[in-house]
Amino acid sequence: GQQVMQIPQYQHVQEGEDFTTYCNSSTTLSNIQWYKQRPGGHPVFLIQLVKSGEVKKQKRLTFQFGEAKKNSSLHITATQTTDVGTYFCLGGGTSYGKLTFGQGTILTVHP
Amino acid sequence: DTEVTQTPKHLVMGMTNKKSLKCEQHMGHRAMYWYKQKAKKPPELMFVYSYEKLSINESVPSRFSPECPNSSLLNLHLHALQPEDSALYLCASSPGGPTQETQYFGPGTRLLVL
Repeated sequence: GQQVMQIPQYQHVQEGEDFTTYCNSSTTLSNIQWYKQRPGGHPVFLIQLVKSGEVKKQKRLTFQFGEAKKNSSLHITATQTTDVGTYFCLGGGTSYGKLTFGQGTILTVHP
Repeated sequence: DTEVTQTPKHLVMGMTNKKSLKCEQHMGHRAMYWYKQKAKKPPELMFVYSYEKLSINESVPSRFSPECPNSSLLNLHLHALQPEDSALYLCASSPGGPTQETQYFGPGTRLLVL
């Protein structure tokens, strides 16, 4: 079945350092979505990528979808303490209802 | 209104109790979801309703029983739960069917089974 591997599991950075998390699917995806979950909170939608090779930016966040539509990354430039939380990717499969979360990356930012 | 609301926020129940979780959205979304999330783990999909019909059941034990009374409401009925069922239960909705659409999550119900 479809599996989505996400690395790293944990990332500790100093404020101002960059951060990247990666997702890799065992099968081709129709789309990939990224969510952020603050400690004690619920997942909040960040972005959806649909096209092969797509790159989208939101201020300090850059999202990429691989050419083969099997991998994706989220890069944060110059992290801030407000970036703390768990970042999940959610891969949408090509068959109905096939949704697979990555394991998440827990980001800690030290001031 | 771009919110998904869930009640109650917290729930403590014994293994012989019957309780229900409620979820509501007024965004006109046609798909609604129940997820279970354990600490430091991703949400696990339990059920999907599409156009008020149960379309996906991810082999969830029968002690969890979903219900979709109308397009805005989603319930999860709980009966004879086990301590390992303690978790955050998240409801979500999306404009259309699953797989393709952005999901909007509610704040969740933190469930403790004693």
